[in-house]
Amino acid sequence: QKEVEQDPGPLSVPEGAIVSLNCTYSNSAFQYFMWYRQYSRKGPELLMYTYSSGNKEDGRFTAQVDKSSKYISLFIRDSQPSDSATYLCGIDGTYKYIFGTGTRLKVLA
Amino acid sequence: NAGVTQTPKFQVLKTGQSMTLQCAQDMNHEYMSWYRQDPGMGLRLIHYSVGAGITDQGEVPNGYNVSRSTTEDFPLRLLSAAPSQTSVYFCASSSYTNQPQHFGDGTRLSIL
Repeated sequence: QKEVEQDPGPLSVPEGAIVSLNCTYSNSAFQYFMWYRQYSRKGPELLMYTYSSGNKEDGRFTAQVDKSSKYISLFIRDSQPSDSATYLCGIDGTYKYIFGTGTRLKVLA
Repeated sequence: NAGVTQTPKFQVLKTGQSMTLQCAQDMNHEYMSWYRQDPGMGLRLIHYSVGAGITDQGEVPNGYNVSRSTTEDFPLRLLSAAPSQTSVYFCASSSYTNQPQHFGDGTRLSIL
């Protein structure tokens, strides 16, 4: 079993929709979780970095961690065509960062 | 403030050749790491360093060497290139562990 599982998509939504991106993880000891956005031919760009369970909001983005079910989510409100990218979830395992395979999102104008 | 800079951006090698991918950061970060990104595989950790003079292996270290003689630089060496090493390579850094990483824009490497 992979340490982090993520649906690769692609996921297509109309402009203005609420987008939900999800990952599951296997090790309950993990405490730090992150989401990155990656545009084509660019490096991953940090969106959210969270500690333990709960929600963290930044503008149109909300990261949610449910440690009881080992589930992490990223919600994008009022999605825009500029949000079209690949979204990577990740676990900060202290010395080793572990990433999901990424979900490709397309927001249609 | 340049962040994390990787050179070259593109490279084509022949099987058996060696080369060094360069990574430099100007944020005085202690932690640096190298990943490769392949379709369907996500980012996989090759090697990492928690400070100058200290390196350790990640998930896929075979065929790669690293050294960390300064805080700023963390080069990745391919000893004898193989077609299986065709990939996009990313370098990242953070102030220390349990801190978010900043990525470079990658080196696209093709081995014939």
